[in-house]
Amino acid sequence: DTAVSQTPKYLVTQMGNDKSIKCEQNLGHDTMYWYKQDSKKFLKIMFSYNNKELIINETVPNRFSPKSPDKAHLNLHINSLELGDSAVYFCASSQAGGREQYFGPGTRLTVT
Amino acid sequence: GEDVEQSLFLSVREGDSSVINCTYTDSSSTYLYWYKQEPGAGLQLLTYIFSNMDMKQDQRLTVLLNKKDKHLSLRIADTQTGDSAIYFCAEVSGYSTLTFGKGTMLLVSP
Repeated sequence: DTAVSQTPKYLVTQMGNDKSIKCEQNLGHDTMYWYKQDSKKFLKIMFSYNNKELIINETVPNRFSPKSPDKAHLNLHINSLELGDSAVYFCASSQAGGREQYFGPGTRLTVT
Repeated sequence: GEDVEQSLFLSVREGDSSVINCTYTDSSSTYLYWYKQEPGAGLQLLTYIFSNMDMKQDQRLTVLLNKKDKHLSLRIADTQTGDSAIYFCAEVSGYSTLTFGKGTMLLVSP
């Protein structure tokens, strides 16, 4: 069974569109995260949610809006997509303060 | 702020040992991690070490931590071609978010 899953795996869209990426975890964790990996493979935290509440919001444009309908889901909505948003987006989860953070397979977003 | 540095590339022959090095700046890090990313795949948690430990061994993997020098290393014994991947060092910072190094690409040749 997949522990952390993301959909879609690939997303190709045009500039200016709005898109969403979904993430679900079946590990019973109460903290979820979004990370962005750029073309040079550099990984950086974007958001962290604990029990459906936003804990961390790094310097991310407000075009990015995470939404957590429940503890098992953390979706990422992106408005007015720009070329620079092209990247691989990883969802992750852990127990609050937990030492083990598990990652989803990633969503490769390409903005044309 | 936190910073994690790694060498970008390492090439070894199959059967040799690989050592991937990492330095970090945040002395308050409680845990340090090694993740593996194969081409086109997600990040796999390989191992982690608590900051009050010097060494941790897990099958072919040995993690060494020098807290004084803020230096972390991952040794892979008997490296196989299937070990070819990018290896990320990471430290946990406030609110359990991970700060990653830029990754070391390990290439194992037959």
